[in-house]
Amino acid sequence: SAVISQKPSRDICQRGTSLTIQCQVDSQVTMMFWYRQQPGQSLTLIATANQGSEATYESGFVIDKFPISRPNLTFSTLTVSNMSPEDSSIYLCSVVRGGGYTFGSGTRLTVV
Amino acid sequence: GESVGLHLPTLSVQEGDNSIINCAYSNSASDYFIWYKQESGKGPQFIIDIRSNMDKRQGQRVTVLLNKTVKHLSLQIAATQPGDSAVYFCAETEAGNNRKLIWGLGTSLAVNP
Repeated sequence: SAVISQKPSRDICQRGTSLTIQCQVDSQVTMMFWYRQQPGQSLTLIATANQGSEATYESGFVIDKFPISRPNLTFSTLTVSNMSPEDSSIYLCSVVRGGGYTFGSGTRLTVV
Repeated sequence: GESVGLHLPTLSVQEGDNSIINCAYSNSASDYFIWYKQESGKGPQFIIDIRSNMDKRQGQRVTVLLNKTVKHLSLQIAATQPGDSAVYFCAETEAGNNRKLIWGLGTSLAVNP
């Protein structure tokens, strides 16, 4: 399975600022997914990022709030913009390769 | 809407006992199901999967059962160990659905020594 390096692992940010989360994959993958996991809850898909095209956002998530870049087949970023305390959560990237899904270790974001 | 849910939010077992974690799903078109384990501070880790053309699959100490008639999925862990303590999620996907996973709510498994 693919190996994902996700950074930062955690951060504490001031409200109104933005944070960019990076995911680096050890091999080329077509599809990358970004999830949010609020404390004590399951994973919610934010968007699907394919190289060379705009990300596809799920209901309730918009590009202005969660802009995504996918410059190549091994890298993607998710930005959480104009943060509020309600954005405090764990953010995870995921890839699918060979039929299997692999996850990064997550970014634990606290907005104060 | 489509959903995947779990019957038990928490499960406490004694070390050495068998654990059973249940999951219900509502999308009859789903054809691939996965169980994940998530330890504190980590991303979900693949445990075992099963396709809709099977009703049982076994791994090391784990077995997944799929009952398509009642749209039910279960994960059985044999001889549960303290290292099995984690949150377990079921997830489903449908061929052609852009490979998106639909996630269950999660069950927290606590193993008592």
